[in-house]
Amino acid sequence: DTAVSQTPKYLVTQMGNDKSIKCEQNLGHDTMYWYKQDSKKFLKIMFSYNNKELIINETVPNRFSPKSPDKAHLNLHINSLELGDSAVYFCASSQGASGGAETQYFGPGTRLLVL
Amino acid sequence: SQQGEEDPQALSIQEGENATMNCSYKTSINNLQWYRQNSGRGLVHLILIRSNEREKHSGRLRVTLDTSKKSSSLLITASRAADTASYFCATDTGGGNKLTFGTGTQLKVEL
Repeated sequence: DTAVSQTPKYLVTQMGNDKSIKCEQNLGHDTMYWYKQDSKKFLKIMFSYNNKELIINETVPNRFSPKSPDKAHLNLHINSLELGDSAVYFCASSQGASGGAETQYFGPGTRLLVL
Repeated sequence: SQQGEEDPQALSIQEGENATMNCSYKTSINNLQWYRQNSGRGLVHLILIRSNEREKHSGRLRVTLDTSKKSSSLLITASRAADTASYFCATDTGGGNKLTFGTGTQLKVEL
């Protein structure tokens, strides 16, 4: 069984469109994350949610809006897509948010290409 | 700004050799973690070392941490072709379970 799953795996779209990426974890974890990995493989955190509450919000354009309907799901909606949004987006989860960062479990990634 | 920087950026070795990757960081940490990323896949956690630990082992992996030098190393012994991947260090500097990833080392193990 997949622990952290993301859909879709690939997403090719035109500039200006709005798209969503979904993430689900079946590990019973309290905390979920979104990361962006650029073409140079640099991985940067975007958002973190703990029990449906936003706890980390890095400097990300407000075109990106995360939504957590429950603690097992964290979706990412992107408005008005730009060429620079092309990247691989990873969802991850971990046990909790107290006492320092713990092991994070990553999804397989969503490869977004904006044309 | 980037917390961790790794060197070398790329490393190519023969199967059976040892591979050593280094990570340097800038601010004090609670713990440091190493992750592996196979091509086209997500990251997989390898090992976590806390700031009060100096060395940790897991199978063929050995991680050291020198907080005075703000550096860590990952040693993979008796490498295998299946170890070919990118390896990232990630630091926890406190504040909501946030990890800051390094630039990564691309390891290629040739038969």
